[in-house]
Amino acid sequence: DAGVIQSPRHEVTEMGQEVTLRCKPISGHNSLFWYRQTMMRGLELLIYFNNNVPIDDSGMPEDRFSAKMPNASFSTLKIQPSEPRDSAVYFCASSLYRDSGNTIYFGEGSWLTVV
Amino acid sequence: QKEVEQNSGPLSVPEGAIASLNCTYSDRGSQSFFWYRQYSGKSPELIMSIYSNGDKEDGRFTAQLNKASQYVSLLIRDSQPSDSATYLCAVNLSNDYKLSFGAGTTVTVRA
Repeated sequence: DAGVIQSPRHEVTEMGQEVTLRCKPISGHNSLFWYRQTMMRGLELLIYFNNNVPIDDSGMPEDRFSAKMPNASFSTLKIQPSEPRDSAVYFCASSLYRDSGNTIYFGEGSWLTVV
Repeated sequence: QKEVEQNSGPLSVPEGAIASLNCTYSDRGSQSFFWYRQYSGKSPELIMSIYSNGDKEDGRFTAQLNKASQYVSLLIRDSQPSDSATYLCAVNLSNDYKLSFGAGTTVTVRA
């Protein structure tokens, strides 16, 4: 079974440009998460969806960030306009939430550099 | 107080020794606990999950959970250079959908 698939793997963009990160969760999973990781702040949860519905977006840093999940097999994280401080690794993760626990599986990440 | 805290490290151990990693959490109602390993430049990968008090062993890894003390640990026996990585403790706080992660402990195994 394919894991979580993210694209692009690496992106370098200029400040002010729009950035769109894409994610395909593991088939059959009902929860999807977007995390951001930096050396200074570690792994931060930005937003998570359950059954395609955004449940908690309190981690989204600013209005410049938005996320969508139009169907069970696709999600996007958009930054518009991008700033140098957005440079980080963005991980998408998915899980099949059960009462017994919620093991999440990460994609390989999208490495974003804003210059 | 952070929701999930780990001993800050870095932790350096000689090859063949036991590496001990500690994690505490703030939510007494938490029921699910996980350890992830992250190699430099890679994504976190799950190595252990634990749900009940006591020990759970998987190969050279042992997870220990004490809900009364709100404490979970990971032991790596017979440490190998390939175990050199950052280890992240993660907790389902009050069985929420999301996992809250600690800052991670970086382990270096000296050959």
